[in-house]
Amino acid sequence: QKEVEQDPGPLSVPEGAIVSLNCTYSNSAFQYFMWYRQYSRKGPELLMYTYSSGNKEDGRFTAQVDKSSKYISLFIRDSQPSDSATYLCAMNTNAGKSTFGDGTTLTVKP
Amino acid sequence: GAVVSQHPSWVICKSGTSVKIECRSLDFQATTMFWYRQFPKQSLMLMATSNEGSKATYEQGVEKDKFLINHASLTLSTLTVTSAHPEDSSFYICSAPVAGNQPQHFGDGTRLSIL
Repeated sequence: QKEVEQDPGPLSVPEGAIVSLNCTYSNSAFQYFMWYRQYSRKGPELLMYTYSSGNKEDGRFTAQVDKSSKYISLFIRDSQPSDSATYLCAMNTNAGKSTFGDGTTLTVKP
Repeated sequence: GAVVSQHPSWVICKSGTSVKIECRSLDFQATTMFWYRQFPKQSLMLMATSNEGSKATYEQGVEKDKFLINHASLTLSTLTVTSAHPEDSSFYICSAPVAGNQPQHFGDGTRLSIL
């Protein structure tokens, strides 16, 4: 069983929709939770970074962490065609090496 | 924000040649850098952890003599694919955290095509 499981997708939504991307994990030692966005043929770009349980908001993006359920989510409000990309969740222990989910490919249709 | 630069972005070469990929942290010092390989429509596969001033740590199944890593300074790590063959063709990406357990920041990747 993988340490990090990510909803596989792909997801296709109309412009303006709310998108929910989700990951579960099994390692209780994970302390840091990240979401990356990766466009085709580019390196991943850090979107959101949280340390504890709860919500963190940045513009149209909200990251949610529930350590008791070992579940994290990324919500995108008012989705735009430019949000079309692959989204990767990632988690760190205090040692610093990240464990990544397999990614969810999102397409936002105009 | 933290910037990691990777060069070259794309390289095509003949089978049997060696290829060097550079990864630089532009606005911070990186004692640790990571090298990943990514196949189309797949996630990142960690190849090795590059440590400044010491030997790299390779993941299981990654050939040390095939993928040479050098981390000679706090801002530069290099990956050399030695005697490259078509099966080494892939997308190689480096990353570095600003500090210890901080999130990694990624370069834009190098597309390697071996003919």
